[in-house]
Amino acid sequence: DTEVTQTPKHLVMGMTNKKSLKCEQHMGHRAMYWYKQKAKKPPELMFVYSYEKLSINESVPSRFSPECPNSSLLNLHLHALQPEDSALYLCASSPLVAGASYEQYFGPGTRLTVT
Amino acid sequence: GQQLNQSPQSMFIQEGEDVSMNCTSSSIFNTWLWYKQDPGEGPVLLIALYKAGELTSNGRLTAQFGITRKDSFLNISASIPSDVGIYFCAGQLSSGSRLTFGEGTQLTVNP
Repeated sequence: DTEVTQTPKHLVMGMTNKKSLKCEQHMGHRAMYWYKQKAKKPPELMFVYSYEKLSINESVPSRFSPECPNSSLLNLHLHALQPEDSALYLCASSPLVAGASYEQYFGPGTRLTVT
Repeated sequence: GQQLNQSPQSMFIQEGEDVSMNCTSSSIFNTWLWYKQDPGEGPVLLIALYKAGELTSNGRLTAQFGITRKDSFLNISASIPSDVGIYFCAGQLSSGSRLTFGEGTQLTVNP
């Protein structure tokens, strides 16, 4: 099973709202990722969690707040977003072995619209 | 930073034709990955390559990891309408590190 699930599938929120995106995987992967993707562009990395600890933050604005409650779950908390934050938000996971390289598996994404 | 040049940017082909696309990098990678993305969906992994010179097939798809570790290509044989989508290459140095993506190849297959 190489499934990464994401909820919700679609989300519309106002600029003053607080919402959360959720991601789950049961493949035993210890690296999890958040990406942002604009139409017809490649995914852009936002955050990486390794062994439930934040290991990479690509200078993402603080209105995006990631959380990794356990090895299977990854959340992205959203607050005071701007219309330009509207995009497809993708979660991914991969095995994590020092010195090795493994493929990342993506979820179906959450289509976020900020009004 | 690392950059990937993916070409062509788009392709319009007839059903049954073969397709070839490639990615080149300014620096080396230890892994090359090829993904396909349908509109509104997440990228789906097609092929993963781990060794320089490696040639791997997945059905009608064949991909190679270049000897210099700075390039990779993907071939699709006998294309069918469901091959339509955006194909991304991605390079990675090690697990847990960032993927560097190409800009994508938009494939259109005319029946």
